[in-house]
Amino acid sequence: EVQLVESGGGLVQPGGSLRLSCAASGFTFSSYAMSWVRQAPGKGLEWVSAISGSGGSTYYADSVKGRFTISRDNSKNTLYLQMNSLRAEDTAVYYCAKESVVRGVIYYMDVWGKGTTVTVSS
Amino acid sequence: SSELTQDPAVSVALGQTVRITCQGDSLRSYYASWYQQKPGQAPVLVIYGKNNRPSGIPDRFSGSSSGNTASLTITGAQAEDEADYYCNSRDSSGNHPEVVFGGGTKLTVL
Repeated sequence: EVQLVESGGGLVQPGGSLRLSCAASGFTFSSYAMSWVRQAPGKGLEWVSAISGSGGSTYYADSVKGRFTISRDNSKNTLYLQMNSLRAEDTAVYYCAKESVVRGVIYYMDVWGKGTTVTVSS
Repeated sequence: SSELTQDPAVSVALGQTVRITCQGDSLRSYYASWYQQKPGQAPVLVIYGKNNRPSGIPDRFSGSSSGNTASLTITGAQAEDEADYYCNSRDSSGNHPEVVFGGGTKLTVL
């Protein structure tokens, strides 16, 4: 069964740090790009960051650039998101998602984890 | 980066057909994908590409696109289709590739 399981969320003070993990199983992890997507309470989905299958290319939303770092360990089938300088507006459920691209124009996220909750508050 | 625009809310009578739209410049270069999200649950992919359904998605869900607009159509809406629906696509209009989501459409089945 293809599965993604996030962990590492919690309560952190503004300015603090947190590292999220996403354990993947049921597919060849290194063959797929992965993304982090977040959803603030009562709000819509917001793409946060993506990483290529090899880990050699990374991409970030402007809202997190310079504060968050995405990485992966293909030997452990695990995706990470290091979050520094956290702000109240980073409070959200964070989902990891498996990406697929077909012929360069068909892009989709076909597998999602259940999410992990990050709360930034004093 | 570009944006994707969706109507905030749409309603449909049980058994009728409803279309949810998504507009944005990135859709001129990339197909939209569509996600269903029910309260307290993770999003689920329902349509991708020109009109492709993942395994397990009922065939009452279909997709189409024209120019800068993508549409998700539910033919014969069921009570269990009541959910939030999001479109997304890749966006290469900026200095680096990004991913964009629409603001979401809350579908109410009456």
